[in-house]
Amino acid sequence: DTGVSQDPRHKITKRGQNVTFRCDPISEHNRLYWYRQTLGQGPEFLTYFQNEAQLEKSRLLSDRFSAERPKGSFSTLEIQRTEQGDSAMYLCASRRPTGFGGNTIYFGEGSWLTVV
Amino acid sequence: RKEVEQDPGPFNVPEGATVAFNCTYSNSASQSFFWYRQDCRKEPKLLMSVYSSGNEDGRFTAQLNRASQYISLLIRDSKLSDSATYLCVVNMPTGGFKTIFGAGTRLFVKA
Repeated sequence: DTGVSQDPRHKITKRGQNVTFRCDPISEHNRLYWYRQTLGQGPEFLTYFQNEAQLEKSRLLSDRFSAERPKGSFSTLEIQRTEQGDSAMYLCASRRPTGFGGNTIYFGEGSWLTVV
Repeated sequence: RKEVEQDPGPFNVPEGATVAFNCTYSNSASQSFFWYRQDCRKEPKLLMSVYSSGNEDGRFTAQLNRASQYISLLIRDSKLSDSATYLCVVNMPTGGFKTIFGAGTRLFVKA
């Protein structure tokens, strides 16, 4: 396994700008998750894909947030018109298909966003 | 009520101490459970899965009580290197198993 890869690792942006994060999951993992984590809190679920289908989206995700996984491989998370409250670490994770052993999710190293 | 709730921290313990963390979950249909460890400014990493019969991995013991919707983690003979945040994790059967994290319990092990 090459691990879950996220890019960029760090992003500083001005309020009102758009940002996009990319996640490459572990190959053969068909399930992909996005989480947001702020200091002192656990990862908060944002959205979940099984292959290219977005099966669930948290109410935390306002209309400014959108995620895609067009070919069932990599995923992007876009935040439009960023606000200071969007400053957080955005974590991507992936998991094997059901029945292929293990329910464990594996995280990437995260993308740190600072909105100034 | 939060879907996954953990003991508030931080826990400050001396080296060699035994410490226990608790976690409750709200969805009785939840099917799999884990403890993750997270070091400061790093991603969470799997510590251990939690099985119905309870399981042990070296100094770490995890227990699951489905009737009470409760899981626990026991760390024996604490080491300085155990200092981290411990996250309780539950797979909930909604939309194909949504994985929910607790807020985490911070552990400081002192010399």
